[in-house]
Formats: sequence, structure tokens, C-alpha cells
Amino acid sequence: DAKTTQPTSMDCAEGRAANLPCNHSTISGNEYVYWYRQIHSQGPQYIIHGLKNNETNEMASLIITEDRKSSTLILPHATLRDTAVYYCIDTDKLIFGTGTRLQVFP
Amino acid sequence: DTGVSQDPRHKITKRGQNVTFRCDPISEHNRLYWYRQTLGQGPEFLTYFQNEAQLEKSRLLSDRFSAERPKGSFSTLEIQRTEQGDSAMYLCASSFGAALETQYFGPGTRLLVL
Repeated sequence: DAKTTQPTSMDCAEGRAANLPCNHSTISGNEYVYWYRQIHSQGPQYIIHGLKNNETNEMASLIITEDRKSSTLILPHATLRDTAVYYCIDTDKLIFGTGTRLQVFP
Repeated sequence: DTGVSQDPRHKITKRGQNVTFRCDPISEHNRLYWYRQTLGQGPEFLTYFQNEAQLEKSRLLSDRFSAERPKGSFSTLEIQRTEQGDSAMYLCASSFGAALETQYFGPGTRLLVL
């Protein structure tokens, strides 16, 4: 079973920041937090990962709380093409849950 | 396009038939993973290889399922005596094995068992 908890769905206006939360309260000290997304009818796509420190790449930013029990994926300027299911995973075995369905609207 | 390819992209078969899917990973990647995804669910881990060795199998991988990676390059997933419950998307991913494993997924093979 998935070890993370995410909201089922979220909406975001195009051009605004999308903040996707994830709870991973059972994460162990050496487990990374990974974020993937899956656009309809495609395979999952890696976004970003982190251990303790906040991370940023060309796709997104990842904010991890100090106790590591939760994190937030931030898409700074959401576009319509960011509409997808976003998965937060806290194990390198990639046990996916049902993710958050993000709908970006015009 | 991640560089991971899967063939076929779609397969329709009758219950009881055998099917085989192929995955070609990114060439320098030594790890290869198979997942199954049903509608509305996230991908479920089935098995993974490091080079040609199959290192882990999920309990989801019944004895009707077999996976191979004979030369440590491409992999095949065979389902024998297919059942309607096998209808799903079968995803392959590859990674360059290390402590951090960023997996690159293929487009998947969608199987429909009638």
C-alpha cells in the first residue's frame, strides 16, 4: 500500500502557482521523496526528488518540512499542459498511490 | 519521448490466450522495471531487473506471469492463459541503478482481454 497521502484533486488557474501537498508521516531517515506526474494516456514522468533540503529544477520546486513528514510540490506558473495526475512517493520502490489530479483551467 | 520504448502499444486478446510484451530501455540503464496500472489507480510494481538478474517480484506477479531480460538489455513480459482481470496498462521503466533511482517510463502497452 502507498505510504503517502495526497488530496484526490485540485484546480489551479493558468499562470498561477500550483501547490500540491503530500503527507509522508512514516518516511524513514534515508528515504527520498519523489514526485512524478502522469499525463493522460502516457507513462509517468519524473519531476523532482529530495531528502531533507528544498530542491528546485526547471520543472518545479520541492519544499520538505523540517520533520520530513510532509512536502509540497510547487509548479510556479501552471500551464494547461500541467494538467495531470501527480504522485508523491517516499520509497525507492516507487509504490504509487492514487495521486492528485490537477486540473489547470484557463 | 523518454527513450524507453514498448511494443505493442495496444493488444486485444481473448481470454485464455498468451501475450508477450517487449520493453527496450535507455541503452546505458542497468535497471528495468515492470508495472501494471488499472483505470483510476496508480502504477503497481510487478518486478525489476538489474542487468539480466531478476531481483524482486511482487506478490501481484502470479505464476501466469513471467519476465525475462536475457542479455541485460531489452525485456519481455509474458502473460499465460490471460484472464479478464489482466486487462490493464503495462508500464516499463528503466534507471541507472544507484542510491538515487530516477526512473524513466515508457508509453505503456494497453492490454484488453475479452
